[in-house]
Amino acid sequence: AQTVTQSQPEMSVQEAETVTLSCTYDTSESDYYLFWYKQPPSRQMILVIRQEAYKQQNATENRFSVNFQKAAKSFSLKISDSQLGDAAMYFCAYHMYSGGGADGLTFGKGTHLIIQP
Amino acid sequence: DTEVTQTPKHLVMGMTNKKSLKCEQHMGHRAMYWYKQKAKKPPELMFVYSYEKLSINESVPSRFSPECPNSSLLNLHLHALQPEDSALYLCASSQDEDGANYGYTFGSGTRLTVV
Repeated sequence: AQTVTQSQPEMSVQEAETVTLSCTYDTSESDYYLFWYKQPPSRQMILVIRQEAYKQQNATENRFSVNFQKAAKSFSLKISDSQLGDAAMYFCAYHMYSGGGADGLTFGKGTHLIIQP
Repeated sequence: DTEVTQTPKHLVMGMTNKKSLKCEQHMGHRAMYWYKQKAKKPPELMFVYSYEKLSINESVPSRFSPECPNSSLLNLHLHALQPEDSALYLCASSQDEDGANYGYTFGSGTRLTVV
């Protein structure tokens, strides 16, 4: 079974600074996808960024970027120029490519990100 | 329309009640999911519907009964729940069976309290 581990229950960063959230995972598969989702107090899970395992290039979405180390099974999220609106619970998630079946996501336990004004 | 809509947003029910949660999307997505999320925990997968057929049931108790009447609608029927079933129930959809191609879209959830 796949597992996703987020070792930082809570992180705090000053507004405009950079913060990195850690995520490691365990899988025996070679084709899979990794995601970072954000869940603010409004409860809706919002996709922040996704990474396909077969792509070596790290994904980037505006102020959000990942450091994907496939051999080390590591997938960290870097948030640059942190803004107050970035405050939320961040979940790292794994999806196995099954080639024909919908499997859903396996989530880590989450990291609560606090932005200090 | 790029949303997944869940109703109701809040629900309080007794242990002998029967209620239903509703999830709707009009994005043409062909896979839909129910997740359960306890406070300060990650979402846990309950059910997956793919092309209106139940494809995954993660050993969920029979007091939870999913239904997919059509490709846009997903229901979760609740009966004889226990207080420990109190949680946020999230619905999600994806464009195809391999949801990661285009990502998953989540609703805002139904906050369920069983008394």
